[in-house]
Amino acid sequence: GESVGLHLPTLSVQEGDNSIINCAYSNSASDYFIWYKQESGKGPQFIIDIRSNMDKRQGQRVTVLLNKTVKHLSLQIAATQPGDSAVYFCAENIGPGGSYIPTFGRGTSLIVHP
Amino acid sequence: KAGVTQTPRYLIKTRGQQVTLSCSPISGHRSVSWYQQTPGQGLQFLFEYFSETQRNKGNFPGRFSGRQFSNSRSEMNVSTLELGDSALYLCASSLANRPTMDYEQYFGPGTRLTVT
Repeated sequence: GESVGLHLPTLSVQEGDNSIINCAYSNSASDYFIWYKQESGKGPQFIIDIRSNMDKRQGQRVTVLLNKTVKHLSLQIAATQPGDSAVYFCAENIGPGGSYIPTFGRGTSLIVHP
Repeated sequence: KAGVTQTPRYLIKTRGQQVTLSCSPISGHRSVSWYQQTPGQGLQFLFEYFSETQRNKGNFPGRFSGRQFSNSRSEMNVSTLELGDSALYLCASSLANRPTMDYEQYFGPGTRLTVT
């Protein structure tokens, strides 16, 4: 499949464990954040978003936490499955006034062992 | 429902040439965004079109341009290709000009451009 990056941080977990993927963002004025998943050979897939006026949002098996004080975003995946193996990116929106101009993190490679 | 399609999937060009990549969004989607992905720089936003108008633009030189047609199909053009333009070019479409949980953004498989 397509390589999405060299020397990405890697998180290895056992199937059934919970996974936590972290991301530091750069712009304190960023108002909106998204987590994406990219499997080998495919384009990114939107997972979950969060606005800057929230500190937590939950989806199906995923939770995003936002700490604006330290400009940190995390993605928690509950009961991780082999199908969750992928590269995960965070994106922050640096566009003003409702526009969407994303800046992406380098990504973390999640490897789930059966 | 068909997904986002991109053509061609693979392309080899020579330095100095120009290239045009095509993206067909999901039916009904009016927003089309383009991204460049490289091992060195990661994923970077190029520009976004909504209803034939460029709404947002990333930090790329003027050699990178795009357009959107009335049927929402989009093309991006890179002129005077450089070796550093070798990348995976991704297109994404959405109902809205800003992806959200209600208006998800869907990516195509990308066009792998190699500049020699």
